[in-house]
Amino acid sequence: DGGITQSPKYLFRKEGQNVTLSCEQNLNHDAMYWYRQDPGQGLRLIYYSQIVNDFQKGDIAEGYSVSREKKESFPLTVTSAQKNPTAFYLCASSTPTGFSNQPQHFGDGTRLSIL
Amino acid sequence: LAKTTQPISMDSYEGQEVNITCSHNNIATNDYITWYQQFPSQGPRFIIQGYKTKVTNEVASLFIPADRKSSTLSLPRVSLSDTAVYYCLVGFSNSGYALNFGKGTSLLVTP
Repeated sequence: DGGITQSPKYLFRKEGQNVTLSCEQNLNHDAMYWYRQDPGQGLRLIYYSQIVNDFQKGDIAEGYSVSREKKESFPLTVTSAQKNPTAFYLCASSTPTGFSNQPQHFGDGTRLSIL
Repeated sequence: LAKTTQPISMDSYEGQEVNITCSHNNIATNDYITWYQQFPSQGPRFIIQGYKTKVTNEVASLFIPADRKSSTLSLPRVSLSDTAVYYCLVGFSNSGYALNFGKGTSLLVTP
């Protein structure tokens, strides 16, 4: 079955540590996205990538970094500079067409907590 | 940017029809209107999408008036499993692909 896999499902970080969240898709989609969701809130865009080796900052990129070396993979690193990293992180992908009519497909998220 | 406004929460009984209205006054010519459903601790799931008039699929209908400044998601005969958060999105055609998820509408279905 085609889809998006996020791992791990739960992740704990110590103060001052960097952690990397994995996102893999086998949908052959060019575009991939990372969102952050806080309790009772909507999704906020962290980074997105329209094509391999290219990515753009979203609304809340500070304290995060990404890479897009392969079409199917878009890992997100939460750095020690992110002072409030506890949240639910969602990865998504879509087929970009230059218009807004391509639905995004989401993974089931990674819940990050601070020890 | 096409900002959307939708009710924060709604309640319904099982078997009733639920209509959730979303306002998007500054929708752009190329923008589509898309609705997603999200259950707790899961990623959002695409429900339905439209550009104008009415769209219907196996789970919902989407009504869009001629001016496209609002849209209504209609869920027929809801069940307890329809309890979820529903997001109305209007795409950013200028930036290409980024979407703006607001807080959505939290729907509670009770027996």
